[in-house]
Amino acid sequence: EDKVVQSPLSLVVHEGDTVTLNCSYEVTNFRSLLWYKQEKKAPTFLFMLTSSGIEKKSGRLSSILDKKELFSILNITATQTGDSAVYLCAVRYNTNAGKSTFGDGTTLTVKP
Amino acid sequence: GAVVSQHPSWVICKSGTSVKIECRSLDFQATTMFWYRQFPKQSLMLMATSNEGSKATYEQGVEKDKFLINHASLTLSTLTVTSAHPEDSSFYICSARSNRGAASNQPQHFGDGTRLSIL
Repeated sequence: EDKVVQSPLSLVVHEGDTVTLNCSYEVTNFRSLLWYKQEKKAPTFLFMLTSSGIEKKSGRLSSILDKKELFSILNITATQTGDSAVYLCAVRYNTNAGKSTFGDGTTLTVKP
Repeated sequence: GAVVSQHPSWVICKSGTSVKIECRSLDFQATTMFWYRQFPKQSLMLMATSNEGSKATYEQGVEKDKFLINHASLTLSTLTVTSAHPEDSSFYICSARSNRGAASNQPQHFGDGTRLSIL
């Protein structure tokens, strides 16, 4: 059975801290791994990773994929209270429809 | 760009009512849209893949007669929860992916979700 496992499930840090969120997967027919941020409503797209070892960066956020060890990490440096959210990892299948399986998410709380 | 509009955002209705939720891609065309359900503090569970001009593909355990999906155009998919009961109360989210370029390189863009409460 395909699995996407995120850790930790929840994390509380203070502003300015750096956090690393983990996502491991066991899926057949892997195409890409995506990270999303979900606040009160629907998820917003952060990164899509297809190739191993290539870091993607957007401001204070960065992410990298290891296709050999089947995991990805999402780093957030100098965290701010606005980073508080649920971070979801999803694995997209290499099919025509390209459906995805989501992990359970990591709830990040950044305290002032 | 890549805006997905979902309507309504919140519905409260009596048991036995049927509820229709719309998902529109506003600035792009989407052959495929996805419908998810999310329970509190849980992740997104894919219910079905909606294909323009053909029948939806439902995930195992999802009743297709209960959750009717219609994808009548490249910008609109609808989910109808028929004869809704309290156990159908949940957060329903749709997503769409642009047809432009290689589909596999396009991320999903999500609507804002519909919170359904059945009394």
